[in-house]
Amino acid sequence: ETGVTQTPRHLVMGMTNKKSLKCEQHLGHNAMYWYKQSAKKPLELMFVYNFKEQTENNSVPSRFSPECPNSSHLFLHLHTLQPEDSALYLCASSQGVESYEQYFGPGTRLTVT
Amino acid sequence: GQNIDQPTEMTATEGAIVQINCTYQTSGFNGLFWYQQHAGEAPTFLSYNVLDGLEEKGRFSSFLSRSKGYSYLLLKELQMKDSASYLCAATDSNYQLIWGAGTKLIIKP
Repeated sequence: ETGVTQTPRHLVMGMTNKKSLKCEQHLGHNAMYWYKQSAKKPLELMFVYNFKEQTENNSVPSRFSPECPNSSHLFLHLHTLQPEDSALYLCASSQGVESYEQYFGPGTRLTVT
Repeated sequence: GQNIDQPTEMTATEGAIVQINCTYQTSGFNGLFWYQQHAGEAPTFLSYNVLDGLEEKGRFSSFLSRSKGYSYLLLKELQMKDSASYLCAATDSNYQLIWGAGTKLIIKP
C-alpha cells in the first residue's frame, strides 16, 4: 500500500450505532488530519495530530472521538450521530503541521439514517 | 474573521485557457495552496505560493499577491481530464489551512 488509505469507503449507520473510521499513511509523515467535506462547503478541519499528540480540535461535537495510536494510524470513533453528520470524511497527512502539502486519502462517504 | 472566496463554477472550452481567482482574508499568512479534486476522489496538491509572483508548473501556473490578498490558478491547453473542482486554501499565522468551497470547472469539447 502506498499513500494514505481509508476504510471503509462507504458507511451507512443509524443514529444509535457506534462505528469507527480508520486511516493509515505509508509516507513517514508526522502530522495527520481529519476533515469533513459537505457538498458545496469548504473543507472543515476537525482534528490535527502532530507526533501522535492532538494539536487542534475545532469545536467538534463529542460524538466524534479521534484516536492516534502512532504516527501512521488515525481513527475517528463515531457514536449517536445526527443526519447532518452525513458527509465525506477525509483523512490527510503531511510531513509537519507547518506549510507542507497535505496528502489526502480517498475518504469515507458516511450516511446517517 | 477568516475567509476564502472563489467562484462556485466556471466553464471553459477544451484547448483554451482559464483563470480561477481566489481572494483570502486570514489572521497572518504563511502561504497559499491550490488543490485539484475530481468528483468522488481525494484532493491532490497542485501548487504552493508564499512569495509574490507567478509559479509555473507545466500547463498549470499559480500567482500570488500578498498585498492584495489574491491568488489565481491558470490552466493552459485545457483537456477534458481537467474537469474537476479546484480548491484554494490559505495558511494562517498558526499554520492552519483555511479552505475555500472550491471552483467546479467544466470543460466542454
